[in-house]
Amino acid sequence: NFMLTQPHSVSESPGKTVTISCTRSSGSIASNYVQWYQQRPGSSPTTVIYEDNQRPSGVPDRFSGSIDSSSNSASLTISGLKIEDEADYYCQSYDTSSQVFGGGTKLTVL
Amino acid sequence: QITLRESGPTLVKPTQTLTLTCTFSGFSLSTSGVGVGWVRQPPGKALEWLALLYWDDDKRYSPSLKSRLTITKDSSKNQVVLTMTNMDPVDTATYFCVHRGAGTYYYYMDVWGKGTTVTVSS
Repeated sequence: NFMLTQPHSVSESPGKTVTISCTRSSGSIASNYVQWYQQRPGSSPTTVIYEDNQRPSGVPDRFSGSIDSSSNSASLTISGLKIEDEADYYCQSYDTSSQVFGGGTKLTVL
Repeated sequence: QITLRESGPTLVKPTQTLTLTCTFSGFSLSTSGVGVGWVRQPPGKALEWLALLYWDDDKRYSPSLKSRLTITKDSSKNQVVLTMTNMDPVDTATYFCVHRGAGTYYYYMDVWGKGTTVTVSS
């Protein structure tokens, strides 16, 4: 099995842009799609990016996703940060037998 | 509209078996590609995938918990049941039921239930 490693926390000011990374420990990041979930305190996770770079309806285009094979990582970028973006963000991917979540990144918007 | 609702005991004793039920609506578990799974989250910690049951009754389990988990379905009731044996205080967590649905190119865990909190304590 593989692991997905995320930074524990990031912080940025309102209006700025922040990028959260997610590095796959083994196997190619491009082999299986990556999803990103937002979880606010006391709530269930919701999808902000699926299949590397697809946004569900209702998710603003301030949210974008990408993968980089050279670093074997995926990234979630949030531009024009708003206070309401403050939350935990989890990347997730899979292989033939398992689903894997990253350890989560706490985004603080201050 | 897809909805999932978890139910089960809020408190179990160490060594007991936990049985959680996910009651869903808005989709059919017999539709190709669809699945229902379970994810848990200990207090203040990260999400952890537990199990996934596919439309064709194929089942996948977390390698670290596989010996303790069983996932089954009752299609007549639109329910998926997860059992976890030999519960321990470290299993204290919120347990989420999730729907695996179609994305643009493949499938992913797209809709989550509200979760149910389980505490393991004597």
